[in-house]
Amino acid sequence: DAGVTQSPTHLIKTRGQQVTLRCSPKSGHDTVSWYQQALGQGPQFIFQYYEEEERQRGNFPDRFSGHQFPNYSSELNVNALLLGDSALYLCASSLAGGDEYNEQFFGPGTRLTVL
Amino acid sequence: QKEVEQNSGPLSVPEGAIASLNCTYSDRVSQSFFWYRQYSGKSPELIMSIYSNGDKEDGRFTAQLNKASQYVSLLIRDSQPSDSATYLCAGTGANNLFFGTGTRLTVIP
Repeated sequence: DAGVTQSPTHLIKTRGQQVTLRCSPKSGHDTVSWYQQALGQGPQFIFQYYEEEERQRGNFPDRFSGHQFPNYSSELNVNALLLGDSALYLCASSLAGGDEYNEQFFGPGTRLTVL
Repeated sequence: QKEVEQNSGPLSVPEGAIASLNCTYSDRVSQSFFWYRQYSGKSPELIMSIYSNGDKEDGRFTAQLNKASQYVSLLIRDSQPSDSATYLCAGTGANNLFFGTGTRLTVIP
């Protein structure tokens, strides 16, 4: 049973650039959530995708955008990168529209460094 | 007040002891709570889920939920050096998970 996968593992960008991160959910899951985890902090919710639409969004600027494809995989795009965007970006998948009782399982993450 | 608050520790216990990790939550957080374990440089791994008042046991782990006090805890019995990690408490609200900052646990051999 394939778990959540993310690519790339690591990424180095410079300020002002744009980045795209990718996620494939656990087999059978239909909902993808994205989180940002700064060093020493808990993950912070960015947004959640279900049925190819953004279902809920956290307190992140419009520079952060996403997409979900018909096969449930998802992308996170960040424009105009800032130094403060350096973090571990985590994708989590869950079942059946992300009901609050449904557990979320995380992928290995993408470590983004902005120079 | 943050949605989920944890004592950031660090917490050190000797091998074989019971480790107790605690978490409180605000009214913004709903009825489902989760404990994740995160090793350094790795992503969070789900270890316990709890939805109802009371205790839930799974092997050496026991999660406790007290909705009246808005309090969640995780007990690790017979702690092992391999349990050394950061433990994240999370609760659901508005279709997302709110996380605490994590408690770093070190089990001393």
